Amino acid sequence: ETGVTQTPRHLVMGMTNKKSLKCEQHLGHNAMYWYKQSAKKPLELMFVYNFKEQTENNSVPSRFSPECPNSSHLFLHLHTLQPEDSALYLCASSPDQDRAEAFFGQGTRLTVV
Amino acid sequence: DAKTTQPPSMDCAEGRAANLPCNHSTISGNEYVYWYRQIHSQGPQYIIHGLKNNETNEMASLIITEDRKSSTLILPHATLRDTAVYYCIVRRLGEAAGNKLTFGGGTRVLVKP
Repeated sequence: ETGVTQTPRHLVMGMTNKKSLKCEQHLGHNAMYWYKQSAKKPLELMFVYNFKEQTENNSVPSRFSPECPNSSHLFLHLHTLQPEDSALYLCASSPDQDRAEAFFGQGTRLTVV
Repeated sequence: DAKTTQPPSMDCAEGRAANLPCNHSTISGNEYVYWYRQIHSQGPQYIIHGLKNNETNEMASLIITEDRKSSTLILPHATLRDTAVYYCIVRRLGEAAGNKLTFGGGTRVLVKP
């Protein structure tokens, strides 16, 4: 248990669906991140939020839309995804964006059909 | 951030020390060495980090060579639960550009009974 909770753990969605991934932490951290891990590829940073402000968008397609309503919650809204977007989506948090001691959630295994 | 080189895989015996090497020959003076691991189907887990002195915590020890061009993560008494992919990451801190933890391929460690 890392203190970072992601829901759902597994998600299957069609290409025309809209769904959201949720991440929650009560560690008092001010920075939160979304990472994508595809099969046989390294983790890829997608978005960084620091004190609720987005500070990094790593050239992520607009079909992925992050939302950070407060420092404890982070969402990733998904719409019109492609099968190649199937991957493990990981949320992480750290005390602030300049600290690399990040704590990761268990991830959401997403399958786009 | 400097790149790192790790062996793709290694085996070690349960109960014995596991020594995981990492090369970071282009590391600069203000870059830290971080280690994470990822157990199958889980998010990465922070293990330890250091700048130039050796470090030890409840999980592992980190030995950094005097020239800082390489380091070794030591798991003192490996257990079957230590089977995971271990990532060595070099990162400059204090940047405002966001927590760009860049994960490479890592070392796949298999602890055998």
